[in-house]
Amino acid sequence: ETVLTQSPGTLSLSPGERATLSCRASQSVSSSYLTWYQQKPGQAPRLLIHGASSRATGIPDRFSGSGSGTDFTLTISRLEPEDFAVYYCQQYGNSQWTFGQGTKVEIK
Amino acid sequence: EVQLVESGGGLVQPGGSLRLSCAASGFTFSNYWMSWVRQAPGKGLEWVANINRDESEIYYVDSVKGRFTISRDNAKNSLYLQMNSLRAEDTAVYYCARDGHALDYWGQGTLVTVSS
Repeated sequence: ETVLTQSPGTLSLSPGERATLSCRASQSVSSSYLTWYQQKPGQAPRLLIHGASSRATGIPDRFSGSGSGTDFTLTISRLEPEDFAVYYCQQYGNSQWTFGQGTKVEIK
Repeated sequence: EVQLVESGGGLVQPGGSLRLSCAASGFTFSNYWMSWVRQAPGKGLEWVANINRDESEIYYVDSVKGRFTISRDNAKNSLYLQMNSLRAEDTAVYYCARDGHALDYWGQGTLVTVSS
């Protein structure tokens, strides 16, 4: 089973700052199935990035994804107030989806 | 507009059963794989199971194998999760999601609480 480890666990930043979130896999994963989600309290997750770097429909271009193999990154170029949330990476392999444990982006 | 609406959650005793439903609209349901994902209170996301278009491929996370059954009715645009032998650790919000190269649409979730 591929384990996804996200870091840091919590990121404390101010609006306007840049956020860099990491997702590291225990073995190489297909970029086609590396996905990022945003979740706000009391809400369902929302798809942000699929295929490691493709923004989902309606996602602002301040969100970008990159990486390959075992190391992937979600970058938020300039944090807006609505971006403070928990972010999860996810991968598909061996007929299973697995999620990272999440990174919370909080207001400093 | 794609909509997924879960129902069927509630309070159940350990060892009991519950059947969740997910009503889909706004897309051709029979063309898509579907998944169930859960989230325990205050915890992260855990994928539970998925099913292909004609039920010929079904997969589960190890922790629910032999206890949970995913199914679908394409004529009714509905997805189901039959949960048997429930345990306290199954307590969670259960989401259904459309499953392609990503889980691109999610329902609002239904809460399952397993407690005596």
